[in-house]
Amino acid sequence: GDSVTQMEGPVTLSEEAFLTINCTYTATGYPSLFWYVQYPGEGLQLLLKATKADDKGSNKGFEATYRKETTSFHLEKGSVQVSDSAVYFCALYSGNTPLVFGKGTRLSVIA
Amino acid sequence: ETGVTQTPRHLVMGMTNKKSLKCEQHLGHNAMYWYKQSAKKPLELMFVYNFKEQTENNSVPSRFSPECPNSSHLFLHLHTLQPEDSALYLCASSQGLASSYNEQFFGPGTRLTVL
Repeated sequence: GDSVTQMEGPVTLSEEAFLTINCTYTATGYPSLFWYVQYPGEGLQLLLKATKADDKGSNKGFEATYRKETTSFHLEKGSVQVSDSAVYFCALYSGNTPLVFGKGTRLSVIA
Repeated sequence: ETGVTQTPRHLVMGMTNKKSLKCEQHLGHNAMYWYKQSAKKPLELMFVYNFKEQTENNSVPSRFSPECPNSSHLFLHLHTLQPEDSALYLCASSQGLASSYNEQFFGPGTRLTVL
């Protein structure tokens, strides 16, 4: 079945550091890919998405590129802030079920 | 109120209790979802409703009983739960069934502890 694998956390970075959170997927066909973010005490909210190969999703300084050849959708940000501390979820939609999520990666950014 | 709201935000119950979780969406959406979020596990989809009709039940134990009286409200009735049912229960909604184009909007969740 469809699945998403994310790097294990937690990830701890200093402010202004470069962030990469790895995400790879297994799916039939050509899924759409998403990153959701969950801030403390809140529900998940969509951060960015890409619906076809080579698309780049971007929002709030975060970017991720849909790489079909490596079945990956890694999340990157050039300079993280304390306010980026949250749990990040990679997810896919392939038409079989509403969304398939990864386990989430907790990011802590320290000043 | 805007978005998706959930009550209560925290709930502690014994294994013999009966309680209910409530979700309300103010977005005019037609589809609603219950998810279970446990530590170190992927988000688990439990139930899906579209236009008040249940379209998906992911092998959820019968001690969890959903109810969707209208497109704006979704309940999760709980009875004789087990300690391993302790988790964050998230409600979500979308315009149509979730797809590449129908974004899901999540509530803040109910933190459930079963003693």
